[in-house]
Amino acid sequence: NAGVTQTPKFQVLKTGQSMTLQCAQDMNHNSMYWYRQDPGMGLRLIYYSASEGTTDKGEVPNGYNVSRLNKREFSLRLESAAPSQTSVYFCASSVTAGLLYEQYFGPGTRLTVT
Amino acid sequence: EDQVTQSPEALRLQEGESSSLNCSYTVSGLRGLFWYRQDPGKGPEFLFTLYSAGEEKEKERLKATLTKKESFLHITAPKPEDSATYLCAVKTSYDKVIFGPGTSLSVIP
Repeated sequence: NAGVTQTPKFQVLKTGQSMTLQCAQDMNHNSMYWYRQDPGMGLRLIYYSASEGTTDKGEVPNGYNVSRLNKREFSLRLESAAPSQTSVYFCASSVTAGLLYEQYFGPGTRLTVT
Repeated sequence: EDQVTQSPEALRLQEGESSSLNCSYTVSGLRGLFWYRQDPGKGPEFLFTLYSAGEEKEKERLKATLTKKESFLHITAPKPEDSATYLCAVKTSYDKVIFGPGTSLSVIP
């Protein structure tokens, strides 16, 4: 099992450019999440998908869109990148969102917007 | 406002020197508390879930405890391989998960 995989690992964008971060999990989990992690701050939830076919906003959704392509894949899109979106992005999955199941995280994508 | 804080921000220990990390929270109804370990350049790795005050969980040199307002991660006789950032996260009654900023632990041989 690969667990949670993310692509790309690193990306540099110019202000205004767009890109999609890809995430896939092979654990047959129902719920998937996108977080950003900034120095001195905790992980902050951008969007989540409690189950295939549903998506919901988290704490910091502005400037992002998501797609739950199927049960395995959950992508995050930046339509017009801004320097404030420079961060490390983590995808995570869990058995289900409704109960106290732990989340499994991918290795992260380090994004720099210049 | 729901909030999770961790202290200290950074901790430097000699190998074998036991200590504790703190996670304090003010949330509207605690449904559970998670501890994660994060190595540099990697995603967080799950360690423990605690559900109610008085509960304790152990794994190797780590023991997590929970009270009504805080959780402690006790590290007994740490080794250099325990060096990492330790994150705690709280699940609220609204099904929201809030992460603390983490404690960076360095264990010196």
